[in-house]
Amino acid sequence: QQQVKQSPQSLIVQKGGISIINCAYENTAFDYFPWYQQFPGKGPALLIAIRPDVSEKKEGRFTISFNKSAKQFSLHIMDSQPGDSATYFCAASGETSGSRLTFGEGTQLTVNP
Amino acid sequence: EPEVTQTPSHQVTQMGQEVILRCVPISNHLYFYWYRQILGQKVEFLVSFYNNEISEKSEIFDDQFSVERPDGSNFTLKIRSTKLEDSAMYFCASKRGLIVIGYTFGSGTRLTVV
Repeated sequence: QQQVKQSPQSLIVQKGGISIINCAYENTAFDYFPWYQQFPGKGPALLIAIRPDVSEKKEGRFTISFNKSAKQFSLHIMDSQPGDSATYFCAASGETSGSRLTFGEGTQLTVNP
Repeated sequence: EPEVTQTPSHQVTQMGQEVILRCVPISNHLYFYWYRQILGQKVEFLVSFYNNEISEKSEIFDDQFSVERPDGSNFTLKIRSTKLEDSAMYFCASKRGLIVIGYTFGSGTRLTVV
């Protein structure tokens, strides 16, 4: 019930392309869905987040699409750059889970020059 | 920009030994967390701490684990008798208020149990 499933496990994209990472959740009490970016040797850093009252949120090249009925959300990275190469984690949290974050398995993104 | 600071960055310990992982959260933050990440796996919640007591813990956080905020600035995670399977990156995090937005993670301590 608490799981967040993320795919793909790894993704290779050419510079300028679109990177798409998908997540699905089960717990309908989740009401906050952040994406974290993690570089090697560093902790996760918040990239962008969405609440279920909106279907899309855009910040620069990063967009979250949210489908409440399907219990799915995705991260789109437009015009992907080599500097975007990192591991991306989706996560979820909600009132019934306190403020703990439940993370997906992670996607290792490589953007080739 | 304020940071969550963790020390040491890497610790090697023998199985059965006690380890203490240290964290200095952001100064005006009130909620503190430990997460861990076994190599190649997802980040997992261990424990949350507020108002000098544990507010929530996961099933991973058994009697071998304890947390403490000894002096108002440091936040520590103690593992009493380390096992091989405790080898992981341990991340401290903090946030100012109850809402989830505003989590800041430290860079982590890599714990290797041999």
